[in-house]
Amino acid sequence: AQKITQTQPGMFVQEKEAVTLDCTYDTSDPSYGLFWYKQPSSGEMIFLIYQGSYDQQNATEGRYSLNFQKARKSANLVISASQLGDSAMYFCAMSENFGNEKLTFGTGTRLTIIP
Amino acid sequence: GAGVSQSPRYKVAKRGQDVALRCDPISGHVSLFWYQQALGQGPEFLTYFQNEAQLDKSGLPSDRFFAERPEGSVSTLKIQRTQQEDSAVYLCASSSVGQRNQPQHFGDGTRLSIL
Repeated sequence: AQKITQTQPGMFVQEKEAVTLDCTYDTSDPSYGLFWYKQPSSGEMIFLIYQGSYDQQNATEGRYSLNFQKARKSANLVISASQLGDSAMYFCAMSENFGNEKLTFGTGTRLTIIP
Repeated sequence: GAGVSQSPRYKVAKRGQDVALRCDPISGHVSLFWYQQALGQGPEFLTYFQNEAQLDKSGLPSDRFFAERPEGSVSTLKIQRTQQEDSAVYLCASSSVGQRNQPQHFGDGTRLSIL
C-alpha cells in the first residue's frame, strides 16, 4: 500500500523568503509519480509540479522545485521568493504507474505568508 | 469551459435523502476520478473510470455510493440514504491516459452537507 507523510501541519514564512514543505512516501511500486497540489481557501486543487520515479533531475516549474531524494523516499517542495498569494494548503500525492493511477494524498501543510 | 466542471457547487440534504453529484471532465480526457475530502484532510480516492468502464471502485465506502459514466464523458456520483458522515467535499478529476507527467486536473468540488 502507498503512504504519504507530511509532518508539518502549518508553517509561517516571511514574504520573499524561500520555504521547504516536507513530504516522505512509501511504496513497493518501482514506477511511481509524485505530485504537489495547492488548495487555496476557495477549494480548487491546483497542480504545481510532477516528479517521476526514474527522472534523474529534480523537477522545476517557475518558482517551484521538487527536491527528490529517492533513497530517502523524500519529495520536498521548495518555493522560492514566496508571495502573499502562496498562502494555501499544500498536498503531496503519489500514484503508481508514473501517475496514471489513483492519487494517494498526504494530510497537507497549511502555509501562511506573512507580509 | 476548458476545466473540469462540477455541479452543484453546494448541496444540502436531509439525512436519508438521495443525492446526485455531476462531473463534466475536460474534453478528450479518458480517465476520470472521484475523491472525497473531509474537513481538514487530504482527498481520498473513491472510484476511477477509463472511458465508460469503471476500473476501480475500491474506495467507495459503502453500497450506498454508486458512480456511473455511461457515455465515457459526464459522470454522476450518487449517494443513497445519506448519512451525516457523508458530509464532505466531493472532488472530480480528469486526465489523459498512458502518458507520463499528465496530472489529474480537478474541479472545484461539490460541498455536501447532510443535516
